[in-house]
Amino acid sequence: DAKTTQPPSMDCAEGRAANLPCNHSTISGNEYVYWYRQIHSQGPQYIIHGLKNNETNEMASLIITEDRKSSTLILPHATLRDTAVYYCIVRSPNTNAGKSTFGDGTTLTVKP
Amino acid sequence: GAVVSQHPSRVICKSGTSVKIECRSLDFQATTMFWYRQFPKKSLMLMATSNEGSKATYEQGVEKDKFLINHASLTLSTLTVTSAHPEDSSFYICSAFVGTKNIQYFGAGTRLSVL
Repeated sequence: DAKTTQPPSMDCAEGRAANLPCNHSTISGNEYVYWYRQIHSQGPQYIIHGLKNNETNEMASLIITEDRKSSTLILPHATLRDTAVYYCIVRSPNTNAGKSTFGDGTTLTVKP
Repeated sequence: GAVVSQHPSRVICKSGTSVKIECRSLDFQATTMFWYRQFPKKSLMLMATSNEGSKATYEQGVEKDKFLINHASLTLSTLTVTSAHPEDSSFYICSAFVGTKNIQYFGAGTRLSVL
């Protein structure tokens, strides 16, 4: 699975949009981009995933560049409870799939 | 989303004892589950892939005799840390893959402290 690169930390003001970038320049054609977050002392929580089209759900939006070498997770109105480590993962949906390789992620701190 | 239940959430044990951690898929069947380990301020590290009805596949460097994995049913996988020592103290997290959604869901984790 392709490796990803994320900034180690970011700050965001409460109520503003949080835009978290991820580089995955070695992504291959059948690999999806997944985003998870981990709040302190909890298991990772699934946020969103996509292949090449932009995606939106009740939690966030995922913007994938046309060349698929990078993506951005957008939390439209960040709250204090969104403070967490955000992981961008690239994974192919192969048979023995499911397992995800985690990088260091981005620690997002939402400030009042 | 799909629910993965992990139990216990926290366990404290004496050195030399064995500890069993359960991972259940509550509303779906999981032929494959995964066990991760996480040290403080570090990312998750995959330990092993648990396959229903067959032997688990361990990642390089993970002792299979130390971390026994059993996946006897489509909804339950267990991780037993045998003869635990203080260096085994960590946060253990299980997960399961929902093929129909192409999503991996995670349990809440188990904090193991070995005294």
